[in-house]
Amino acid sequence: GNSVTQMEGPVTLSEEAFLTINCTYTATGYPSLFWYVQYPGEGLQLLLKATKADDKGSNKGFEATYRKETTSFHLEKGSVQVSDSAVYFCALSDFNTNAGKSTFGDGTTLTVKP
Amino acid sequence: DTAVSQTPKYLVTQMGNDKSIKCEQNLGHDTMYWYKQDSKKFLKIMFSYNNKELIINETVPNRFSPKSPDKAHLNLHINSLELGDSAVYFCASSQVSNYGYTFGSGTRLTVV
Repeated sequence: GNSVTQMEGPVTLSEEAFLTINCTYTATGYPSLFWYVQYPGEGLQLLLKATKADDKGSNKGFEATYRKETTSFHLEKGSVQVSDSAVYFCALSDFNTNAGKSTFGDGTTLTVKP
Repeated sequence: DTAVSQTPKYLVTQMGNDKSIKCEQNLGHDTMYWYKQDSKKFLKIMFSYNNKELIINETVPNRFSPKSPDKAHLNLHINSLELGDSAVYFCASSQVSNYGYTFGSGTRLTVV
């Protein structure tokens, strides 16, 4: 079956530091990959996505590249801000299997200190 | 206009009661989902409907019953609430799952 493993948190960084949150996946088909962000007290929001190998998703300064050879989709940001403090979820979805169900990682809590 | 709206946002109730959570999406999506998020932020899918048809029914107690009167609405009814049902319940929708989900803001259920 499909699975997603992401870096355990919590992660604490100072403002303007470089961020990497690792994500690896196992899938039987050719999934699309996603990062979602959940701010305190809110629902998850789609942050970025990539639908095929070597695609790079980007949004709000965050980037992730779909690496089929390493089955990875690591999230990066060059300079984090206090407002980036949130829980980040890596996920995959294969339209052709699992009835379109997305598989989520366990979430990584990021705290950015001024 | 909120794309995926859930009501109520907060629900505090006693053990043994029956309660419902409602969800509506105005995105024209064909598929809707219910997810449960526990206190450690782990997300677990409960149900999925595609055009009013149940397509995913994970291992969930029979006390939980979803209903989809039309493709824009997906409600969740819970009978005989237990302490362990306390969690945040999220509704989500998608048109094609490879494009990602749109989530509601969640319903925080507290059973006392």
